[in-house]
Amino acid sequence: GQQVMQIPQYQHVQEGEDFTTYCNSSTTLSNIQWYKQRPGGHPVFLIQLVKSGEVKKQKRLTFQFGEAKKNSSLHITATQTTDVGTYFCAGFSGAGSYQLTFGKGTKLSVIP
Amino acid sequence: NAGVMQNPRHLVRRRGQEARLRCSPMKGHSHVYWYRQLPEEGLKFMVYLQKENIIDESGMPKERFSAEFPKEGPSILRIQQVVRGDSAAYFCASSPGGGGNYGYTFGSGTRLTVV
Repeated sequence: GQQVMQIPQYQHVQEGEDFTTYCNSSTTLSNIQWYKQRPGGHPVFLIQLVKSGEVKKQKRLTFQFGEAKKNSSLHITATQTTDVGTYFCAGFSGAGSYQLTFGKGTKLSVIP
Repeated sequence: NAGVMQNPRHLVRRRGQEARLRCSPMKGHSHVYWYRQLPEEGLKFMVYLQKENIIDESGMPKERFSAEFPKEGPSILRIQQVVRGDSAAYFCASSPGGGGNYGYTFGSGTRLTVV
């Protein structure tokens, strides 16, 4: 079945430093989504990428979808303490599958 | 405009009892998904339902687990004869369209503890 791998599992950064998490799928994806989950909270949808090579920005967050539509990244510039949480990518392969497959997430800690 | 409503937030059950988790999707959403999350783990797909239909239950254990989304009322995830290994957070999500073509709106989850 489809697998989505995410690295790193944990990341500790000093406030103001940049942060990047990477996501790789074992199969070509129809789209990829990113979610953020605060400690003790629930996943919150951030963005969906659909096109090969697509880049989208949300303030300090930059999302990329690879040319082969098998990998993606989330980059946060100048982290703040409000960025703390776990960031999940989730891939949808389409092709008769209804499942959105989540990676294990990258847990971000920001040291003030 | 209420989001996805899940209840209860916390549920404690003794081994062998039944657990019923309820989920009301966002207004206008007819697609419901159940995911399970263990501590420090990602979300594992369990089941995808539309009104009165189970579309994909490939992530659901064959025994003791069942899900429904009746014409009226919330979606229910039912776990019979719970065991300690069922302890987890169970999240429900909804979307306006099917599969993974839309971003999911998640509820606050039900934290199930089996003692």
